[in-house]
Amino acid sequence: KNEVEQSPQNLTAQEGEFITINCSYSVGISALHWLQQHPGGGIVSLFMLSSGKKKHGRLIATINIQEKHSSLHITASHPRDSAVYICAVRFGASGGGADGLTFGKGTHLIIQP
Amino acid sequence: KAGVTQTPRYLIKTRGQQVTLSCSPISGHRSVSWYQQTPGQGLQFLFEYFSETQRNKGNFPGRFSGRQFSNSRSEMNVSTLELGDSALYLCASSLRQGTADTQYFGPGTRLTVL
Repeated sequence: KNEVEQSPQNLTAQEGEFITINCSYSVGISALHWLQQHPGGGIVSLFMLSSGKKKHGRLIATINIQEKHSSLHITASHPRDSAVYICAVRFGASGGGADGLTFGKGTHLIIQP
Repeated sequence: KAGVTQTPRYLIKTRGQQVTLSCSPISGHRSVSWYQQTPGQGLQFLFEYFSETQRNKGNFPGRFSGRQFSNSRSEMNVSTLELGDSALYLCASSLRQGTADTQYFGPGTRLTVL
């Protein structure tokens, strides 16, 4: 069964701390997404990557295809970063494959002032 | 550009009824995917439509169906509602076919089945 595992499940940190959220998956993928969900349900796509590293503001996402692992980092964390962060992957070798997205359970992040 | 819109935002139904949810993608986007989110199962993929054709389908019973119109708007239908169908239903649009493309999510429709 194709699975996506996220850790930690819950994370509380102080403002300014460096945050790392991890995502591991079981078999080869064609794409990995990092999503952010705030209370109320709205989901925002943070990154979509298939190799290497991407950066946007204080957020950095990396992926290691050989180790089947991705990390999302938040530098200089702020209370407004408090949200659920969700990793989602598309299994399969090509972008036009027959699978939809498989999601991790999410990481509940709280940044305290 | 306007974002993805979903209607209605909230819906209350009783067991056995059917429901239709609507999703309007970002202008120019031809792919629409639907997802179900529950506290127990988290987010799960329902189906994806591109150019009016269903391209992918998740592991859901046949009571869940959908369609896409020529203007890329999409509807999903759930027949013979069960209590377990209570969930947040999200749609997302993308420019290209397949979920290996940035997904833009709508605000969701919260369905409660009594």
